[in-house]
Amino acid sequence: GENVEQHPSTLSVQEGDSAVIKCTYSDSASNYFPWYKQELGKRPQLIIDIRSNVGEKKDQRIAVTLNKTAKHFSLHITETQPEDSAVYFCAAGEGGSYIPTFGRGTSLIVHP
Amino acid sequence: GAGVSQSPSNKVTEKGKDVELRCDPISGHTALYWYRQSLGQGLEFLIYFQGNSAPDKSGLPSDRFSAERTGGSVSTLTIQRTQQEDSAVYLCASSLVGAGSYNSPLHFGNGTRLTVT
Repeated sequence: GENVEQHPSTLSVQEGDSAVIKCTYSDSASNYFPWYKQELGKRPQLIIDIRSNVGEKKDQRIAVTLNKTAKHFSLHITETQPEDSAVYFCAAGEGGSYIPTFGRGTSLIVHP
Repeated sequence: GAGVSQSPSNKVTEKGKDVELRCDPISGHTALYWYRQSLGQGLEFLIYFQGNSAPDKSGLPSDRFSAERTGGSVSTLTIQRTQQEDSAVYLCASSLVGAGSYNSPLHFGNGTRLTVT
């Protein structure tokens, strides 16, 4: 089955800095890679996703990159703000009979 | 529209008791998932329902755990003879996944926080 590793487990940055969270996966059949944000006490919510047929996707201050050869993908947040503080989860899975495997999460803390 | 609804939001039970957790998915979503999130941990897959197909139970940690989905909609996760290690937040999610579909993000409920004393 799929195995997803996520690093770092905790990331502390100053407001305005960039933050990068990295994930690796093991199953070359995986072709869909979503990222979820979970604020304290709330449900995980999708913030961005990428398919295997593209290498990068941007949405305002967030972007995701994918390297299928190396089996890794990353979340990039620019100009971080205190409201970006949350736990971020990456996931990987195969479209079709799709059961995403999640990473263990990264706790991002943005200091004002 | 309405999102994924879970009940109860909190459940405290004594060790050895049975509990039932309910999930009402988004209308029209064919896929339903149960995940478990322990304190400070990631999302552990438990079980997956897709349409009328047999559920994928590969994530259930023991035979004390079971789940059913009636009429392709509401799902109930049952934990028998609860143990302290079962304490966690149980998250339900639904999606529009279909065979060969890529864009099937999961929509999560707020979860049920289970505490076994």
